[in-house]
Formats: sequence, structure tokens, C-alpha cells
Amino acid sequence: DVKVTQSSRYLVKRTGEKVFLECVQDMDHENMFWYRQDPGLGLRLIYFSYDVKMKEKGDIPEGYSVSREKKERFSLILESASTNQTSMYLCASSPGGAGNNEQFFGPGTRLTVL
Amino acid sequence: AQRVTQPEKLLSVFKGAPVELKCNYSYSGSPELFWYVQYSRQRLQLLLRHISRESIKGFTADLNKGETSFHLKKPFAQEEDSAMYYCALRQSGSEKLVFGKGMKLTVNP
Repeated sequence: DVKVTQSSRYLVKRTGEKVFLECVQDMDHENMFWYRQDPGLGLRLIYFSYDVKMKEKGDIPEGYSVSREKKERFSLILESASTNQTSMYLCASSPGGAGNNEQFFGPGTRLTVL
Repeated sequence: AQRVTQPEKLLSVFKGAPVELKCNYSYSGSPELFWYVQYSRQRLQLLLRHISRESIKGFTADLNKGETSFHLKKPFAQEEDSAMYYCALRQSGSEKLVFGKGMKLTVNP
């Protein structure tokens, strides 16, 4: 059973704080993704990684950075949190390679920035 | 650029009624289309993908390249189908998915 876990279900931070969201997958997947999910806007890709230390910007990377030092762990960093980053953050992973690209999602972290 | 459009945000039906959740896409190549579902207080999960051509929980979806659509259908909705549904597209050679904005289906008793 594929398992993607996220470090927190709920997080409250103040404007200007540096925020770390952690994601771990236990299925040796190549690819990992960070999305934000907002009502009426759907899922928007922030960053993704296709290998250790490799990353690629998604559609809305501004204000975020990522780190993938180990294959199983993908961190999302908000360098200086702002109120417009209040959202639900979803992490996902996928095996990679031709023909097997289902993304498996974590439970989400609801971040509130005050 | 590729885009996925789900024209309706909300759909409310009674149990036993047919449902069709619309999805249109724009992509010049050969896409791979998916439907993901998120039930209340559960994580987002894959419902079905067009290449499988299978029925999952009574749902089917056919890729219509002429109309660039991938509508999700079920002939008789059940209360447990109430959820958020997202259509997604994967372009050839990419690992990334482009999601639509989602649609909330409510099936009333």
C-alpha cells in the first residue's frame, strides 16, 4: 500500500515566518510533487522533483522553494510566509517511467498564515 | 499550453439519477486523461484513466479526441458518490499533471 505522509495536518504561522512542510513516501517513487488546493482554483502545481536534488518549477513557484536531499523526502519551504499563502497543501508521488504515472497523494496540510 | 476545463463547479442530483461530469481539454498532442476523486475527509485518489477503458464504481469515461472531451458518467448515482471530482491531463513525455478546477457532486437521498 503506497503511503504518502505529510508532517502536519494543520499549521498556523505568522506573516514573515519561514515555514517548512515535509512529505515522505515509502514506495521508492522517482517523482514527487507539491500542489496547493484552493476552492474554485483546483490543484495548482508549485514544484516537482524527478530525482534526488533535481527540481522543476510548476505553475506557481513564486514565494516557494523545495528541497529533495533523499529520495523519499520532499520539502516545501515558504521563505517568508504571507497571508495569500494560506491554503491546503498537497504532496504527491508517482513511480515514474512509461506507463505507470498514477500520482498518490498525501492527506494534506492546511496552512493558515496570520 | 495545455488546459483542462470543468465547466460546472457544482452538480446536485437525487439518488438513482444519471450523472455526467464534463471535462474538456486543450492539447495539440496525444494526451492521457484521468479522473481523480476526493471524498469528504479523505485524500485525493485516482478514480480512472482513459487508457484503462474500465468502469470503476460504476463510472465510465470515454476520450473523445474530436470534441477534446473526457466526460465522466454514471447511469445511477449513489449517495456515496458525493465528492469533489477533478479531471487531469498528462501530456506525452511529461510526468506532470494539469488539473481542472474541480466539481463538487452531491447526491441527495
